[in-house]
Amino acid sequence: GENVEQHPSTLSVQEGDSAVIKCTYSDSASNYFPWYKQELGKRPQLIIDIRSNVGEKKDQRIAVTLNKTAKHFSLHITETQPEDSAVYFCAARDTYDMRFGAGTRLTVKP
Amino acid sequence: GAGVSQSPRYKVAKRGQDVALRCDPISGHVSLFWYQQALGQGPEFLTYFQNEAQLDKSGLPSDRFFAERPEGSVSTLKIQRTQQEDSAVYLCASSFTGGNTEAFFGQGTRLTVV
Repeated sequence: GENVEQHPSTLSVQEGDSAVIKCTYSDSASNYFPWYKQELGKRPQLIIDIRSNVGEKKDQRIAVTLNKTAKHFSLHITETQPEDSAVYFCAARDTYDMRFGAGTRLTVKP
Repeated sequence: GAGVSQSPRYKVAKRGQDVALRCDPISGHVSLFWYQQALGQGPEFLTYFQNEAQLDKSGLPSDRFFAERPEGSVSTLKIQRTQQEDSAVYLCASSFTGGNTEAFFGQGTRLTVV
């Protein structure tokens, strides 16, 4: 089955700096790569996603890149704000299942 | 409904008890996932349904875990003879179709086995 690796496990940045989280996946059949943000005690919420026919997608301060050949994808957050502090999960989905990385705890220091 | 709904929100079970966790997906959503999330960890895949068909149950940790979705809508995750290691948040997610569409999560059921 699919295996998703996520790095780093924790990330601390100064407000206004950029944050980058990287994931790799193993199953070449995966074709959809969402990123979720989870605040303490709450459900995961989708923040951005990318499909396998696209190399990059941007939504305001958030961007995701995908390299299908190398089987890795990354989340980029620019101009970070304290409210960006949360745990971020990447995921890879094929026809039948969706597997998650172990998560990155992002702390944005004011 | 407006979103994915799970019940109960919290469940305390004595070791050895059976529990049943319910998930009401968004109306019309074909795909339904169950995940187990231990404290500080990512969601671990348990099982996947497309309508009433359970297409992948490779993540169920033991034969004590059983999931069903008999009419292709509401799903129930049943855990028999609960053990302390079953303590976790159980998350349900649904999406409109299979493949490359957004999955929406419920608020989860926190199971504590004492």
